[in-house]
Amino acid sequence: GAGVSQSPSNKVTEKGKDVELRCDPISGHTALYWYRQSLGQGLEFLIYFQGNSAPDKSGLPSDRFSAERTGGSVSTLTIQRTQQEDSAVYLCASSLEGPFLVAGGLTEQFFGPGTRLTVL
Amino acid sequence: SQQGEEDPQALSIQEGENATMNCSYKTSINNLQWYRQNSGRGLVHLILIRSNEREKHSGRLRVTLDTSKKSSSLLITASRAADTASYFCATDAGADKLIFGTGTRLQVFP
Repeated sequence: GAGVSQSPSNKVTEKGKDVELRCDPISGHTALYWYRQSLGQGLEFLIYFQGNSAPDKSGLPSDRFSAERTGGSVSTLTIQRTQQEDSAVYLCASSLEGPFLVAGGLTEQFFGPGTRLTVL
Repeated sequence: SQQGEEDPQALSIQEGENATMNCSYKTSINNLQWYRQNSGRGLVHLILIRSNEREKHSGRLRVTLDTSKKSSSLLITASRAADTASYFCATDAGADKLIFGTGTRLQVFP
């Protein structure tokens, strides 16, 4: 089947507006991850879902960031009252099994193409 | 905070040469993974090496892991222009998420 898809691919918004970013994981993948990557930087972990639950929200930068996942599939990352420092590429990844379910550590993650967010 | 640090930050070589990049990490791990990223977009998984493994091969890729030094290296042999990308190591550190390094930008000139 298809890989991980994300929409929109690019989003330009004005400071103070809310944005929603969408991720469609690979069918059957139980775990879903959101990352943020600023220009020329590594990946910053934001949140992960095991099924519809988000056991670890520690990476969310502020309470303006929230995420949900429904039906164990699609996930949306919402950023309220966007700020210029929110500008980055937001990457979503999914994996067949999530943390603690597989001996030997985390398995391979499949990444989507990302959403490039620009806050003016 | 970053778990992994790649070295060098940038590397430029000619086609046909080998490229070696290194990754150091801070805490004990279950496994270490290497990913490639083209044009600042999605990452592609290259190879996974478990903590009880010392070396692993996949095509032109060779990964080594030294848990005593908390370091790993990725060797790309006979490089091609298409190998131009950023390469990241990622560790799970026994936790529930991958922690990515800062990446090595590889440029392969034809």
